[in-house]
Amino acid sequence: NAGVTQTPKFQVLKTGQSMTLQCAQDMNHEYMSWYRQDPGMGLRLIHYSVGAGITDQGEVPNGYNVSRSTTEDFPLRLLSAAPSQTSVYFCASSLTGYEVYNEQFFGPGTRLTVL
Amino acid sequence: EDQVTQSPEALRLQEGESSSLNCSYTVSGLRGLFWYRQDPGKGPEFLFTLYSAGEEKEKERLKATLTKKESFLHITAPKPEDSATYLCAVRSSGGYNKLIFGAGTRLAVHP
Repeated sequence: NAGVTQTPKFQVLKTGQSMTLQCAQDMNHEYMSWYRQDPGMGLRLIHYSVGAGITDQGEVPNGYNVSRSTTEDFPLRLLSAAPSQTSVYFCASSLTGYEVYNEQFFGPGTRLTVL
Repeated sequence: EDQVTQSPEALRLQEGESSSLNCSYTVSGLRGLFWYRQDPGKGPEFLFTLYSAGEEKEKERLKATLTKKESFLHITAPKPEDSATYLCAVRSSGGYNKLIFGAGTRLAVHP
């Protein structure tokens, strides 16, 4: 199993550009989520999904869109990039969103810089 | 509001010098406290889950403990390869598998 994979690893955008960060998992996990990590702050939840076709907002959803058409994939779209979205983005997955004994597994991250 | 505070922000140890990292939390109905290790340029790697006060988990030189207000990650006789950032997170009873993370403790172990 490859686990959770993310592409690209690095990306530089200009203000106003749009792009999609890809995330895939091969563990047949129902729950997937996106976090951003900024210096001096903990990881913050952007969006999450409890299964194909079901998504919801996390703590910092503004400026981001998600969709979940398959169990395996959970892309994160930046609609119009802003310098405040410069961050490291992590995708994570867990077996379900409901069970108590349910650790999340993280991908390697995408480092995004918006100029 | 759910909140997680980790201390210290950074810790420098000599190889073999044992110490503890602290994670204080405020959460409405704890549904799990998680410890992760993060190496530079990589994603967090799961270490432990604790669910109830008094619970302890061990893995090699690491031991995690939990009280009603905080968790400790004890590092016994650390080695340079234990150098990393250690992240603490909590899941509340607010629904689904949403984690609230602390800012982490950067640990450097020198030979």
